[in-house]
Amino acid sequence: EDKVVQSPLSLVVHEGDTVTLNCSYEVTNFRSLLWYKQEKKAPTFLFMLTSSGIEKKSGRLSSILDKKELFSILNITATQTGDSAVYLCACLSGNTPLVFGKGTRLSVIA
Amino acid sequence: NAGVMQNPRHLVRRRGQEARLRCSPMKGHSHVYWYRQLPEEGLKFMVYLQKENIIDESGMPKERFSAEFPKEGPSILRIQQVVRGDSAAYFCASSPRAPGEQYFGPGTRLTVT
Repeated sequence: EDKVVQSPLSLVVHEGDTVTLNCSYEVTNFRSLLWYKQEKKAPTFLFMLTSSGIEKKSGRLSSILDKKELFSILNITATQTGDSAVYLCACLSGNTPLVFGKGTRLSVIA
Repeated sequence: NAGVMQNPRHLVRRRGQEARLRCSPMKGHSHVYWYRQLPEEGLKFMVYLQKENIIDESGMPKERFSAEFPKEGPSILRIQQVVRGDSAAYFCASSPRAPGEQYFGPGTRLTVT
């Protein structure tokens, strides 16, 4: 059975800190790994990673995939209270539905 | 370009009633996915549809649940004879291609009393 595991499950940091969120996976026919940010409503798409070792960056967020070790990390630098959310990792396999992890709940306190 | 639209945003049903959840994909997207999210749980895939076709319904319960995506109009997720365990947030996502990144709607929060 396909599996996506995220760690930590929750994290509390102070504004300005840098955080690293982890995602490991065991997925047959792996195609891509996606990161989403979920606040109170819809998950918002952040990144899709398909190739190993190529960093994707958007502002203070960046992410990289390691297809050999089967994991990805999401980094957030200079965190702000607006970064507080649940961060979801999902894998796209040979079939099209996404397999999601349970998420990491990030709380950034002022 | 409007995002994925879902309605209603909140739905309350008594046990035994029917629930109908609607999803309009983003313009130009012909692939629609339904997911269910229980409290403190991740999103779980239910069904994947293209126009007029169910492509993969492996995540959908065999009984009481059905989905459609007609040629015209939104995709519908239908739950008959709802039970308390159906209470959850139901998210719809759409994609311009498969496989590809999926964009989510705001969800419908179903409460069964």
